[in-house]
Amino acid sequence: NAGVTQTPKFQVLKTGQSMTLQCAQDMNHNSMYWYRQDPGMGLRLIYYSASEGTTDKGEVPNGYNVSRLNKREFSLRLESAAPSQTSVYFCASSSQTGYQETQYFGPGTRLLVL
Amino acid sequence: SQKIEQNSEALNIQEGKTATLTCNYTNYSPAYLQWYRQDPGRGPVFLLLIRENEKEKRKERLKVTFDTTLKQSLFHITASQPADSATYLCALISNTGNQFYFGTGTSLTVIP
Repeated sequence: NAGVTQTPKFQVLKTGQSMTLQCAQDMNHNSMYWYRQDPGMGLRLIYYSASEGTTDKGEVPNGYNVSRLNKREFSLRLESAAPSQTSVYFCASSSQTGYQETQYFGPGTRLLVL
Repeated sequence: SQKIEQNSEALNIQEGKTATLTCNYTNYSPAYLQWYRQDPGRGPVFLLLIRENEKEKRKERLKVTFDTTLKQSLFHITASQPADSATYLCALISNTGNQFYFGTGTSLTVIP
């Protein structure tokens, strides 16, 4: 049982390049989330998917797109990377959305945009 | 918009003492609050959840309080150990239950 896995672990991009961050969970969870974590800013929600087939914007969605490919996988795409998107990206999942649900996080992807 | 503040300074304590971490929030009235632990280079890990009507919650050496009047949660680690050294995050859950808002975290170092 791997939990939440993310690929790649680390990536360097040049400004304007595109890339897709991959996330998969094997806990049969309905809800999945993408966060970014920056020093002094804490974790901020980019997008979430309450269930397969649905996606919604979080606090900081600009410059990103997401795809809930199936129940297991939730990808985050940067169409034209900018230095401001240098960050650590975490994917998380929970059984469902709701007050009592706890989130399970992946190990993170460290992205540097030059 | 919601604002969540945690101890801005890193916290250093001696092994065996009780560590107390603070989470203050404004412009919000959450029904639930969660605490997570994050080790360097890793994702956060859930520790405890407390409801607004549960003033206090305990789990082994951990204790969380939730004061909705003060808009504050306190997180205590008793008999602290060097292995407790990590960053601790508090998280508020939106009224719809769909979104989590995390504080910036407090870095705790337990000195042997």
